[in-house]
Amino acid sequence: GAVVSQHPSWVICKSGTSVKIECRSLDFQATTMFWYRQFPKQSLMLMATSNEGSKATYEQGVEKDKFLINHASLTLSTLTVTSAHPEDSSFYICSARSSGPIYFGEGSWLTVV
Amino acid sequence: GQNIDQPTEMTATEGAIVQINCTYQTSGFNGLFWYQQHAGEAPTFLSYNVLDGLEEKGRFSSFLSRSKGYSYLLLKELQMKDSASYLCVNWMDSSYKLIFGSGTRLLVRP
Repeated sequence: GAVVSQHPSWVICKSGTSVKIECRSLDFQATTMFWYRQFPKQSLMLMATSNEGSKATYEQGVEKDKFLINHASLTLSTLTVTSAHPEDSSFYICSARSSGPIYFGEGSWLTVV
Repeated sequence: GQNIDQPTEMTATEGAIVQINCTYQTSGFNGLFWYQQHAGEAPTFLSYNVLDGLEEKGRFSSFLSRSKGYSYLLLKELQMKDSASYLCVNWMDSSYKLIFGSGTRLLVRP
């Protein structure tokens, strides 16, 4: 079964609104969580890395005020897309690690209309 | 550098064996993952190699040679459901980052 759960799997929101995606590690405490986005037929693009209890580290070109990441506990990280626009429509995936393997959530499809 | 090279596409026949190679030129390397990703889905974990040698897990095996910067994923007894992209991914412990290869799209034909 899944060791990293992501919710929601699908979300449609209106342009200008905000949407929150949750990522939970189910069987372990994740000291580090990662957020990615992936466009069709392209590789995963790392957006940010978050360690529990500290601010996320964003990759170059990723707006931290637009993509808010919170890693408040060892089992939960959230990504909030603020003031979403159609170009933010994408597949968002989280992954989590304690030690050893890194597991991915099931992904969340965001469509902004 | 942080280049990871793997073939873009491969085709194989159901029941056969296929080997997907991956070479990397990363400094600070600290482990290599293989993931399977079906279209429209998130990657699923296949293997994790830290030390040199072969790791076998059912129909899937992964090999690592750190001195050569080389890994391969071996898939045996191919099934149609194995048609997917296979991602070679390096774990950079120094920067807490995963470095992704572009993925190999494997097509399994009857």
